Amino acid sequence: GQQVMQIPQYQHVQEGEDFTTYCNSSTTLSNIQWYKQRPGGHPVFLIQLVKSGEVKKQKRLTFQFGEAKKNSSLHITATQTTDVGTYFCAGGNNDMRFGAGTRLTVKP
Amino acid sequence: ETGVTQTPRHLVMGMTNKKSLKCEQHLGHNAMYWYKQSAKKPLELMFVYNFKEQTENNSVPSRFSPECPNSSHLFLHLHTLQPEDSALYLCASSQVDRARGEPQHFGDGTRLSIL
Repeated sequence: GQQVMQIPQYQHVQEGEDFTTYCNSSTTLSNIQWYKQRPGGHPVFLIQLVKSGEVKKQKRLTFQFGEAKKNSSLHITATQTTDVGTYFCAGGNNDMRFGAGTRLTVKP
Repeated sequence: ETGVTQTPRHLVMGMTNKKSLKCEQHLGHNAMYWYKQSAKKPLELMFVYNFKEQTENNSVPSRFSPECPNSSHLFLHLHTLQPEDSALYLCASSQVDRARGEPQHFGDGTRLSIL
């Protein structure tokens, strides 16, 4: 079945450093979604990308959807301790599949 | 307040017990989901209901039995569970779009521990 691969599994950064997580699929996706789950919390929807090559920004977060609509990335500029958590991508057509997530820890 | 309410928040049960998890959404959505989240598989889709009809069952053991009486309520009936079933069980809801997936709204989850 359709799978969405996400790397890295873990990322530990110093506060102020940048962070990027990547999501890849072997099949073309109609859209990609990104979620954030804080420790002890539940996944919260961040954004959805639909168009080939689309780039969206939310403050220090930049989301990209690849030209072939098979990959996506989330980049955080100058991480803060409030960015800690697990970031999930979800991709698919009418059936969304979640990646394994990237757990981000930030050292103050 | 997420718009998706799960009860109970925590549940401890023995392997021979029968219990049920409840999920209610107040968002007017017509699709509901059950996920299992554990250290081994961070977000594992179990069941999907669209307009009260089960559209997906991801090879889930029969000791888990879902029920969706209407678009706002979803249950997960548990019986004869195993220790490896201990996990966080998350419920989510979304609108149904036949062409693409819609954003999902998650509840806080039920932390299940099997003794």
